[in-house]
Amino acid sequence: AQKVTQAQTEISVVEKEDVTLDCVYETRDTTYYLFWYKQPPSGELVFLIRRNSFDEQNEISGRYSWNFQKSTSSFNFTITASQVVDSAVYFCALSIQAAGNKLTFGGGTRVLVKP
Amino acid sequence: AAGVIQSPRHLIKEKRETATLKCYPIPRHDTVYWYQQGPGQDPQFLISFYEKMQSDKGSIPDRFSAQQFSDYHSELNMSSLELGDSALYFCASSLARTRDTGELFFGEGSRLTVL
Repeated sequence: AQKVTQAQTEISVVEKEDVTLDCVYETRDTTYYLFWYKQPPSGELVFLIRRNSFDEQNEISGRYSWNFQKSTSSFNFTITASQVVDSAVYFCALSIQAAGNKLTFGGGTRVLVKP
Repeated sequence: AAGVIQSPRHLIKEKRETATLKCYPIPRHDTVYWYQQGPGQDPQFLISFYEKMQSDKGSIPDRFSAQQFSDYHSELNMSSLELGDSALYFCASSLARTRDTGELFFGEGSRLTVL
């Protein structure tokens, strides 16, 4: 069975601070995908990034960056120079190729960015 | 570009009533997924369909049923509603031939409130 753990339930920062969200996953499959989704107060799920299990290259995209480490089964996400609009719940998720695209979500981390 | 369309966006029902949610996937997408997100919870997989056949089943109550029609839209039927059914229901779609990329597209969700 798959499992995703987001140990941080809530993070509060002041605008312009950096925020790192932790995600640890469990799976026995060798081919899988990891995701980060943002859920603002309006409720929709906004796709941020997808990584497959064979792509450990970390990346920076604007103010977002990701750190994927298979050795520790972690897929952490960082927001640099946070803004009030970043306030949302962030979900890490895992899908297994053998099971189609069915996603297993972590419990979510609520990020509150104060002005 | 066309996205996943869900209707209604908001629905209020009384206990023991029946509700139907509809999902229109992205054109040419052949796979539909339903997720339920309770207040303060992460989205939980309910059921999925591929080419109008049920492909996977998660924690969907027996009071719920779903199907995918010939035009690929899907409906989630919920009967004998309970207060605990109050949640945000997400539909997502994907294209089977791109399943190996793990790409999944979410609708904006339908918020069901049971009074």
